[in-house]
Amino acid sequence: DIQVTQSPSSLSASVGDRVTITCRASQSISSYLNWYQQKPGKAPKLLIYAASSLQSGVPSRFTGSGSGTDFTLTISSLQPEDFATYYCQQSYSSWTFGQGTKVEIK
Amino acid sequence: QITLKESGPTLVKPTQTLTLTCTFSGFSLSTNGVGVGWIRQPPGKALEWLALIYWDDGKRYSPSLQSRLTITKDTSKNQVVLTMTNMDPVDTATYYCAHKGPGFYDPFDIWGQGTMVTVSS
Repeated sequence: DIQVTQSPSSLSASVGDRVTITCRASQSISSYLNWYQQKPGKAPKLLIYAASSLQSGVPSRFTGSGSGTDFTLTISSLQPEDFATYYCQQSYSSWTFGQGTKVEIK
Repeated sequence: QITLKESGPTLVKPTQTLTLTCTFSGFSLSTNGVGVGWIRQPPGKALEWLALIYWDDGKRYSPSLQSRLTITKDTSKNQVVLTMTNMDPVDTATYYCAHKGPGFYDPFDIWGQGTMVTVSS
């Protein structure tokens, strides 16, 4: 099984901050890494697929990068609606989610 | 517009079998490459992928739960059914179904609202 490890598990940031979340896979997954946003009581929402492709309707302040085993989700300027939990997921071999990163208001 | 909705019991007893139904619209599960997956999330915890069924009736299961899961589809009814045997309180979670696009490595791009299942005697 391919494991994916996210860091940090939580972070505190202010509106306007640049935020970076990382995800590491236990083996190479090429670029088959996806990012989701989840708000309390809601289903996850796809933000980024194939490491760097922005899902339709997602603001351009969200960017993804990486390949192989190391990946990054960056929010260039944090907005009030971005406070949520973010999950990475590999889709190279079945599907595995990371443990999540909770982005909280500082 | 693709939509999915989960339905099933909100409460099951330990050792019972859980049966959940995902009813979808806006796509066909006979389209080449398309799949419907099930994912769960215990309260306050991370997402866990459970199973997926493909357009051609191919099936994939989480290795850790494979012995307890069965996924089936009824293309004519636009439904996917997940059964999980021998339920335990640790299986208490919100269960989601989600659409996977036709590309082999496509993500889960559209999710249902989820259904909360509590396992308790």
